[in-house]
Amino acid sequence: AQSVSQHNHHVILSEAASLELGCNYSYGGTVNLFWYVQYPGQHLQLLLKYFSGDPLVKGIKGFEAEFIKSKFSFNLRKPSVQWSDTAEYFCAVNAEGDMRFGAGTRLTVKP
Amino acid sequence: DTAVSQTPKYLVTQMGNDKSIKCEQNLGHDTMYWYKQDSKKFLKIMFSYNNKELIINETVPNRFSPKSPDKAHLNLHINSLELGDSAVYFCASSLSGRQETQYFGPGTRLLVL
Repeated sequence: AQSVSQHNHHVILSEAASLELGCNYSYGGTVNLFWYVQYPGQHLQLLLKYFSGDPLVKGIKGFEAEFIKSKFSFNLRKPSVQWSDTAEYFCAVNAEGDMRFGAGTRLTVKP
Repeated sequence: DTAVSQTPKYLVTQMGNDKSIKCEQNLGHDTMYWYKQDSKKFLKIMFSYNNKELIINETVPNRFSPKSPDKAHLNLHINSLELGDSAVYFCASSLSGRQETQYFGPGTRLLVL
């Protein structure tokens, strides 16, 4: 069965710092990749997704992610975080219709 | 306009009770899901359902049962609630197909006392 790993459990940054959250998956076939964000007390919202084409995907709020097939990775990045980016971030992988989420990374941005 | 809605938002109940959580989507999607998010924020799929197929995560106790009166609704019924059922339950929906994005409801926070 496929799995999704997010290695960073909790990341703490100061405003304007750069962000990179890791996501790796284990599945050898074709996958569709997602990053979702969950702000405190709210539901999950889609940040960005990759299906095919350009492996560098741009999403909302200045986020982007790069799909590196050889590394089975889909890391999330943002060049300069804001206090309002404080949230839980979930990587998700859909393989053959089976959607799996990573354990989530909590991002705390200090003002 | 609410795309995926859930009721109630909060549910506090005693052990042993039976309760239901309702989910409705107005996106015209044909596939709906239930997820459980535990206290550590880990999100785990419980069911996925469309008009053709119900897929159950084998780790879900049979006290949990999804009920779909129509394509726009997928309710979650829980029998004999246990303390460990306390969690946030999210409903989601999508079009069928591997490339479709899932849209999530606001969640129902269940507390079993």
